[in-house]
Amino acid sequence: KAGVTQTPRYLIKTRGQQVTLSCSPISGHRSVSWYQQTPGQGLQFLFEYFSETQRNKGNFPGRFSGRQFSNSRSEMNVSTLELGDSALYLCASSLVPGQPKSFYGYTFGSGTRLTVV
Amino acid sequence: EDKVVQSPLSLVVHEGDTVTLNCSYEVTNFRSLLWYKQEKKAPTFLFMLTSSGIEKKSGRLSSILDKKELFSILNITATQTGDSAIYLCAVEAWGGSEKLVFGKGTKLTVNP
Repeated sequence: KAGVTQTPRYLIKTRGQQVTLSCSPISGHRSVSWYQQTPGQGLQFLFEYFSETQRNKGNFPGRFSGRQFSNSRSEMNVSTLELGDSALYLCASSLVPGQPKSFYGYTFGSGTRLTVV
Repeated sequence: EDKVVQSPLSLVVHEGDTVTLNCSYEVTNFRSLLWYKQEKKAPTFLFMLTSSGIEKKSGRLSSILDKKELFSILNITATQTGDSAIYLCAVEAWGGSEKLVFGKGTKLTVNP
Protein backbone atom coordinates (compact mmCIF):
# COMPACT_ATOMS: atom_id res chain seq x y z
CA LYS A 1 0.00 0.00 0.00
CA ALA A 2 1.65 3.23 -1.12
CA GLY A 3 1.98 5.86 1.56
CA VAL A 4 1.40 9.58 1.47
CA THR A 5 3.57 11.14 -1.22
CA GLN A 6 4.80 14.69 -1.01
CA THR A 7 6.69 16.47 -3.76
CA PRO A 8 9.16 17.94 -4.09
CA ARG A 9 11.27 16.66 -1.20
CA TYR A 10 13.43 19.77 -1.06
CA LEU A 11 13.00 23.28 -2.36
CA ILE A 12 15.05 26.46 -2.19
CA LYS A 13 13.31 29.72 -3.00
CA THR A 14 14.12 33.40 -2.79
CA ARG A 15 12.22 35.89 -0.65
CA GLY A 16 9.24 37.29 -2.50
CA GLN A 17 8.75 34.26 -4.73
CA GLN A 18 5.85 31.88 -4.47
CA VAL A 19 5.87 28.10 -4.10
CA THR A 20 3.47 25.21 -4.64
CA LEU A 21 3.76 21.95 -2.73
CA SER A 22 1.92 18.75 -3.58
CA CYS A 23 0.47 15.94 -1.47
CA SER A 24 -0.96 12.69 -2.83
CA PRO A 25 -2.85 10.81 -0.10
CA ILE A 26 -2.96 7.07 0.47
CA SER A 27 -5.19 5.45 -2.14
CA GLY A 28 -8.79 5.70 -0.95
CA HIS A 29 -8.07 8.44 1.57
CA ARG A 30 -10.11 11.53 0.84
CA SER A 31 -9.13 13.90 3.63
CA VAL A 32 -5.84 15.82 3.58
CA SER A 33 -4.41 18.06 6.31
CA TRP A 34 -1.34 20.26 6.13
CA TYR A 35 1.13 21.23 8.88
CA GLN A 36 4.14 23.49 9.13
CA GLN A 37 7.01 22.31 11.34
CA THR A 38 9.70 24.70 12.57
CA PRO A 39 12.21 24.25 15.40
CA GLY A 40 10.71 27.13 17.35
CA GLN A 41 7.00 26.43 16.97
CA GLY A 42 6.83 22.69 16.39
CA LEU A 43 4.04 21.33 14.20
CA GLN A 44 1.28 23.82 13.51
CA PHE A 45 -1.93 23.08 11.66
CA LEU A 46 -2.38 24.94 8.39
CA PHE A 47 -5.61 23.63 6.87
CA GLU A 48 -7.61 20.53 5.98
CA TYR A 49 -9.49 19.52 2.86
CA PHE A 50 -12.21 16.99 2.13
CA SER A 51 -14.23 16.63 -1.05
CA GLU A 52 -12.40 19.58 -2.60
CA THR A 53 -13.55 21.87 0.22
CA GLN A 54 -11.49 23.54 2.90
CA ARG A 55 -13.05 22.50 6.20
CA ASN A 56 -10.78 24.13 8.72
CA LYS A 57 -7.95 26.63 8.70
CA GLY A 58 -5.18 27.36 11.18
CA ASN A 59 -3.87 30.72 12.26
CA PHE A 60 -1.71 31.58 9.27
CA PRO A 61 -1.74 34.65 7.03
CA GLY A 62 -3.60 34.73 3.76
CA ARG A 63 -0.34 34.12 1.88
CA PHE A 64 -0.89 30.45 2.71
CA SER A 65 -3.58 28.81 0.62
CA GLY A 66 -4.47 25.39 -0.62
CA ARG A 67 -6.81 23.35 -2.70
CA GLN A 68 -7.87 19.78 -3.28
CA PHE A 69 -8.62 18.09 -6.55
CA SER A 70 -11.28 15.55 -7.41
CA ASN A 71 -8.73 12.71 -7.09
CA SER A 72 -8.07 13.88 -3.48
CA ARG A 73 -4.58 15.15 -4.26
CA SER A 74 -3.92 18.45 -2.55
CA GLU A 75 -1.64 21.39 -3.16
CA MET A 76 -0.65 24.23 -0.91
CA ASN A 77 0.67 27.54 -2.10
CA VAL A 78 2.69 30.17 -0.29
CA SER A 79 2.97 33.53 -1.98
CA THR A 80 5.44 36.33 -1.29
CA LEU A 81 7.78 34.06 0.61
CA GLU A 82 9.46 35.30 3.78
CA LEU A 83 12.53 33.93 5.52
CA GLY A 84 10.29 32.74 8.34
CA ASP A 85 8.44 30.43 5.97
CA SER A 86 11.47 28.13 5.92
CA ALA A 87 10.13 24.93 7.41
CA LEU A 88 9.23 21.30 6.88
CA TYR A 89 5.73 21.13 5.41
CA LEU A 90 3.94 17.90 6.22
CA CYS A 91 0.65 16.58 5.02
CA ALA A 92 -1.44 13.82 6.54
CA SER A 93 -4.25 11.83 4.97
CA SER A 94 -7.22 9.96 6.36
CA LEU A 95 -10.20 8.12 4.91
CA VAL A 96 -12.79 10.71 5.87
CA PRO A 97 -12.87 13.35 8.59
CA GLY A 98 -13.66 12.19 12.08
CA GLN A 99 -12.13 8.71 11.95
CA PRO A 100 -10.02 7.57 14.95
CA LYS A 101 -6.41 8.51 14.36
CA SER A 102 -4.91 5.14 15.17
CA PHE A 103 -2.34 3.38 13.04
CA TYR A 104 -3.55 3.85 9.47
CA GLY A 105 -6.23 6.31 10.47
CA TYR A 106 -4.04 9.37 9.97
CA THR A 107 -0.80 8.94 8.06
CA PHE A 108 1.88 11.54 7.48
CA GLY A 109 4.00 12.01 4.41
CA SER A 110 7.75 12.62 4.56
CA GLY A 111 7.31 16.30 3.95
CA THR A 112 8.76 19.02 1.78
CA ARG A 113 11.72 20.91 3.23
CA LEU A 114 11.38 24.53 2.08
CA THR A 115 14.29 26.90 2.51
CA VAL A 116 13.77 30.58 1.78
CA VAL A 117 16.94 32.61 1.16
CA GLU B 1 -7.00 27.94 22.96
CA ASP B 2 -5.95 24.29 22.89
CA LYS B 3 -2.42 23.74 24.12
CA VAL B 4 0.09 20.90 24.54
CA VAL B 5 3.31 21.18 26.55
CA GLN B 6 5.98 18.52 26.43
CA SER B 7 8.90 18.09 28.78
CA PRO B 8 11.77 17.82 28.73
CA LEU B 9 12.48 19.40 25.35
CA SER B 10 15.72 17.47 25.08
CA LEU B 11 17.14 14.40 26.76
CA VAL B 12 20.44 12.53 26.40
CA VAL B 13 20.74 9.05 27.88
CA HIS B 14 22.88 5.93 27.57
CA GLU B 15 21.75 2.70 26.02
CA GLY B 16 19.88 0.61 28.54
CA ASP B 17 18.48 3.56 30.46
CA THR B 18 14.75 4.00 31.04
CA VAL B 19 13.20 7.32 30.07
CA THR B 20 9.90 9.02 30.81
CA LEU B 21 8.56 11.72 28.51
CA ASN B 22 5.82 14.03 29.70
CA CYS B 23 2.91 15.66 27.97
CA SER B 24 0.36 17.99 29.56
CA TYR B 25 -2.56 19.42 27.67
CA GLU B 26 -5.50 21.77 27.68
CA VAL B 27 -8.18 21.08 25.11
CA THR B 28 -11.84 21.83 24.82
CA ASN B 29 -13.89 18.70 24.20
CA PHE B 30 -11.04 16.18 24.42
CA ARG B 31 -11.26 13.18 22.10
CA SER B 32 -7.82 11.55 22.09
CA LEU B 33 -4.13 12.01 22.83
CA LEU B 34 -1.60 10.64 20.37
CA TRP B 35 2.10 9.93 20.52
CA TYR B 36 4.28 9.96 17.42
CA LYS B 37 7.95 9.20 16.75
CA GLN B 38 9.74 11.37 14.22
CA GLU B 39 13.13 10.11 13.13
CA LYS B 40 13.79 11.97 9.93
CA LYS B 41 10.72 13.43 8.34
CA ALA B 42 7.39 11.61 8.65
CA PRO B 43 5.97 11.28 12.17
CA THR B 44 4.99 7.66 12.73
CA PHE B 45 2.14 6.62 15.00
CA LEU B 46 2.91 5.07 18.38
CA PHE B 47 -0.19 5.23 20.56
CA MET B 48 -3.68 6.65 20.72
CA LEU B 49 -5.09 7.15 24.21
CA THR B 50 -8.68 7.97 25.00
CA SER B 51 -9.34 6.57 28.48
CA SER B 52 -7.67 7.32 31.78
CA GLY B 53 -5.56 4.72 33.53
CA ILE B 54 -5.36 2.19 30.73
CA GLU B 55 -1.76 1.51 29.76
CA LYS B 56 -0.99 1.00 26.11
CA LYS B 57 2.09 -1.10 25.46
CA SER B 58 4.17 -1.94 22.44
CA GLY B 59 7.43 -3.74 23.11
CA ARG B 60 9.62 -1.51 25.25
CA LEU B 61 7.30 1.46 24.87
CA SER B 62 4.27 2.16 27.01
CA SER B 63 1.98 5.10 27.62
CA ILE B 64 -0.79 6.10 29.95
CA LEU B 65 -3.27 8.95 30.15
CA ASP B 66 -4.63 10.82 33.17
CA LYS B 67 -7.71 12.77 32.08
CA LYS B 68 -8.24 14.26 35.52
CA GLU B 69 -4.78 15.80 35.74
CA LEU B 70 -4.61 16.35 31.95
CA PHE B 71 -1.33 14.65 31.20
CA SER B 72 0.21 11.62 29.62
CA ILE B 73 3.57 9.92 29.90
CA LEU B 74 5.51 7.85 27.41
CA ASN B 75 7.96 5.36 28.90
CA ILE B 76 10.77 3.69 27.04
CA THR B 77 12.65 0.94 28.86
CA ALA B 78 16.06 -0.50 27.97
CA THR B 79 16.65 2.28 25.43
CA GLN B 80 18.54 1.56 22.23
CA THR B 81 20.30 3.91 19.81
CA GLY B 82 17.44 3.34 17.40
CA ASP B 83 15.12 5.07 19.86
CA SER B 84 16.88 8.37 19.12
CA ALA B 85 14.20 10.59 17.64
CA ILE B 86 11.81 13.41 18.36
CA TYR B 87 8.76 12.21 20.26
CA LEU B 88 5.64 14.22 19.57
CA CYS B 89 2.49 14.43 21.65
CA ALA B 90 -0.74 15.70 20.10
CA VAL B 91 -4.35 16.10 21.15
CA GLU B 92 -7.52 15.87 19.15
CA ALA B 93 -10.87 17.39 20.00
CA TRP B 94 -14.35 16.20 19.12
CA GLY B 95 -16.01 18.29 16.46
CA GLY B 96 -15.19 16.63 13.16
CA SER B 97 -12.01 18.55 12.41
CA GLU B 98 -8.91 16.61 11.44
CA LYS B 99 -6.75 19.17 13.26
CA LEU B 100 -4.23 17.91 15.77
CA VAL B 101 -2.60 20.27 18.28
CA PHE B 102 1.01 19.28 18.84
CA GLY B 103 3.54 19.96 21.54
CA LYS B 104 7.02 21.03 20.51
CA GLY B 105 8.37 17.55 20.99
CA THR B 106 11.06 15.90 23.09
CA LYS B 107 14.33 15.22 21.31
CA LEU B 108 15.74 11.97 22.69
CA THR B 109 19.35 11.03 22.03
CA VAL B 110 20.48 7.57 23.09
CA ASN B 111 24.25 7.16 23.17
CA PRO B 112 25.92 3.74 22.95
